[in-house]
Amino acid sequence: DAGVIQSPRHEVTEMGQEVTLRCKPISGHDYLFWYRQTMMRGLELLIYFNNNVPIDDSGMPEDRFSAKMPNASFSTLKIQPSEPRDSAVYFCASSLTVGTSGQYFGPGTRLTVL
Amino acid sequence: AQSVAQPEDQVNVAEGNPLTVKCTYSVSGNPYLFWYVQYPNRGLQFLLKYITGDNLVKGSYGFEAEFNKSQTSFHLKKPSALVSDSALYFCAVSGETSYDKVIFGPGTSLSVIP
Repeated sequence: DAGVIQSPRHEVTEMGQEVTLRCKPISGHDYLFWYRQTMMRGLELLIYFNNNVPIDDSGMPEDRFSAKMPNASFSTLKIQPSEPRDSAVYFCASSLTVGTSGQYFGPGTRLTVL
Repeated sequence: AQSVAQPEDQVNVAEGNPLTVKCTYSVSGNPYLFWYVQYPNRGLQFLLKYITGDNLVKGSYGFEAEFNKSQTSFHLKKPSALVSDSALYFCAVSGETSYDKVIFGPGTSLSVIP
């Protein structure tokens, strides 16, 4: 398996623009997680899905953020409108279970909002 | 609520010396414990996990971790550090129910000095 795939790897955009991050999890993994990593706040869980259904979105910072998982092999994280404080590295991860198996992380998307 | 602490932001060790990265946790019931490593500009990589059984868990790249229930600790160890071990290390914990999320610690930066 190719592992978790994320695109794009880097995104530079201007404040107010819509940003869409994409993720393809490992085949057979029932759980998909979106994280954000910054120097100030460390690694934050934004949302996770089980079998394509959002289970916990309590970490989503505000309504500007939304995530979907239309099928088992694809998920998106959208920010609309983007703000400079959204600049961070966004990771997608997948796993067999929510808490008892290791999570496999993608390479991340480095987002810069000017 | 579960939590995890990594008391050291930075650990420096000479190449060839043993290394320890500390982690303490708080969780209701029996914990599931994990260690991850993050190299620069990469996603987190799963190193090892403790579920039950032997308190000494062996993982990837020669790392091991010791579970100590009385001290609620799960320290990461390696007998002989390599320069290539320099990275950011995350401890993580989840509870024993199937719905418990994994909570990540703030990370410890390990520098192995040649």
